[in-house]
Amino acid sequence: GAGVSQSPRYKVAKRGQDVALRCDPISGHVSLFWYQQALGQGPEFLTYFQNEAQLDKSGLPSDRFFAERPEGSVSTLKIQRTQQEDSAVYLCASSSRANTEAFFGQGTRLTVV
Amino acid sequence: SQQGEEDPQALSIQEGENATMNCSYKTSINNLQWYRQNSGRGLVHLILIRSNEREKHSGRLRVTLDTSKKSSSLLITASRAADTASYFCATDPHNAGNMLTFGGGTRLMVKP
Repeated sequence: GAGVSQSPRYKVAKRGQDVALRCDPISGHVSLFWYQQALGQGPEFLTYFQNEAQLDKSGLPSDRFFAERPEGSVSTLKIQRTQQEDSAVYLCASSSRANTEAFFGQGTRLTVV
Repeated sequence: SQQGEEDPQALSIQEGENATMNCSYKTSINNLQWYRQNSGRGLVHLILIRSNEREKHSGRLRVTLDTSKKSSSLLITASRAADTASYFCATDPHNAGNMLTFGGGTRLMVKP
């Protein structure tokens, strides 16, 4: 596709519900990143994949957060038993290789009620 | 935690004026990037400046980098209403290739 695509754009979840957020990176991009952006703040790093390998997950806030990229292209960020503090925009980015421009998707705005 | 801090947090100017935003960071870097974010949208990459560069231009954008002071500035000349957005600086303190640490952003409003 032309850019990084994320779905859904908006998600409202009841507290305690599990959610899955999808990211389609630019075709051929090796690196994929997930960020969390709270309202009025800058994005914060969650996790990083190189192809299918998750090389860093140090930013995941708790063990309720899980990310995968099984075939090295599409990635899913799963949040189990959502809490109100999980409400944020979740951004996905991809890049062709390290230290090159990262392209961001439009994000998924998650609201936990 | 966020590596960079932007200053000011908010800036309001008239169309045609120049806008200057500053960014400070904490650790050594290989490069520093500036991004723009329109309300409710994703981030758009503006410019990347490497640690061995002091100044870089792209159209109406001018970025400077002072590694001794661990600071960078973004200048937008002849601003337009369409420049209204949030601007973020980002660094890769772990040198892991785009595992970016962002500042809190400067919210720029350009009044027509």
